[in-house]
Amino acid sequence: DTGVSQDPRHKITKRGQNVTFRCDPISEHNRLYWYRQTLGQGPEFLTYFQNEAQLEKSRLLSDRFSAERPKGSFSTLEIQRTEQGDSAMYLCASNSGGHTEAFFGQGTRLTVV
Amino acid sequence: AQSVAQPEDQVNVAEGNPLTVKCTYSVSGNPYLFWYVQYPNRGLQFLLKYITGDNLVKGSYGFEAEFNKSQTSFHLKKPSALVSDSALYFCALLRGGFKTIFGAGTRLFVKA
Repeated sequence: DTGVSQDPRHKITKRGQNVTFRCDPISEHNRLYWYRQTLGQGPEFLTYFQNEAQLEKSRLLSDRFSAERPKGSFSTLEIQRTEQGDSAMYLCASNSGGHTEAFFGQGTRLTVV
Repeated sequence: AQSVAQPEDQVNVAEGNPLTVKCTYSVSGNPYLFWYVQYPNRGLQFLLKYITGDNLVKGSYGFEAEFNKSQTSFHLKKPSALVSDSALYFCALLRGGFKTIFGAGTRLFVKA
């Protein structure tokens, strides 16, 4: 068990480009979460999967954002037509029904220039 | 609305002295409360949680927190601070069984 893994760790992209991030949860965890953290703020909930089903989406997740978790394993978060306001740390976390606490990855830092 | 507040942006303490990082919460029903720590260039790490039972909960790295229902607080404490405790600390609550709501964070500086 190597913990929650996120790739890439850093991404610099030009405004208007599409980006995709990947998260590999802890293998036995059926719940997966995406959060966004901007400088000086705590993480904000974006979306939640239980197995392959996306059960909750925050209103922060505009139609430019889409997340998937095919086969209930890894997850991807795609941002289309990136804007400078999308610059943030994107955190992935996982747990299972037996946990109340979440286990976080190291995050992907996105910079939109 | 369910929320947590961390009234201090920064806490400074000398090594060896006790530390307290404050958190207050607003929730309907029984709260599930957490503390997480974030070191530079690393993800959040779970420290401790209060679900039910004893109001004083103990967690990782010698940290503990006291749940106070009448004051709606969940302050993080450590009897003797270490320089290595310097980090960003987040208080959080669990909403709906899956959504973690975080405070804005408190930066702890421990001076040698």
